[in-house]
Amino acid sequence: GQSLEQPSEVTAVEGAIVQINCTYQTSGFYGLSWYQQHDGGAPTFLSYNALDGLEETGRFSSFLSRSDSYGYLLLQELQMKDSASYFCAANSGGYQKVTFGTGTKLQVIP
Amino acid sequence: NAGVTQTPKFRILKIGQSMTLQCAQDMNHNYMYWYRQDPGMGLKLIYYSVGAGITDKGEVPNGYNVSRSTTEDFPLRLELAAPSQTSVYFCASSFGFSARDGSTDTQYFGPGTRLTVL
Repeated sequence: GQSLEQPSEVTAVEGAIVQINCTYQTSGFYGLSWYQQHDGGAPTFLSYNALDGLEETGRFSSFLSRSDSYGYLLLQELQMKDSASYFCAANSGGYQKVTFGTGTKLQVIP
Repeated sequence: NAGVTQTPKFRILKIGQSMTLQCAQDMNHNYMYWYRQDPGMGLKLIYYSVGAGITDKGEVPNGYNVSRSTTEDFPLRLELAAPSQTSVYFCASSFGFSARDGSTDTQYFGPGTRLTVL
């Protein structure tokens, strides 16, 4: 089966840097996506890695290591509005199949 | 563009009732998905479709049915509702993968339907 593991909660201080890790076990792996979801809202896409290495998009960066079945999301210059749940999601299978992790709830404190 | 729209926003059902959750997208996406999200949990794929007339089961399809007669619409049918189906249901759409080497496939989510079965 497919499974992705993330820490359940992370707390960080405003202005700091936080890293959210994701380890996965999937067959036919294509790539790893990251989504943000605020309480009561819908998930929104943040980034995607198909190849090993770092992808940077503004304050957010995402990293993938295929050999380690591991990825992380790095959030820099944390703002209060970054308080949300963050999900990693693995794309795999012959057709478009996505398996989501259980999510990491990030709390940014002053 | 409206993006992905879902109706209704909220619904309370009695055990054994049936209903259809509506989902529509105006981005001409081939791929559409239905997920459920239980409180404090991640999203679980119920069904997905890669184009009109083509659907397939996801991780948790039991108790649900789907159809895809047009590119735009992807309704989810609940037959004989059970308390275990109390959840938030999200519909999503995407263009789909065009290559394996670095192409992205962003999923766009609707606002969700909050369903309670009593």
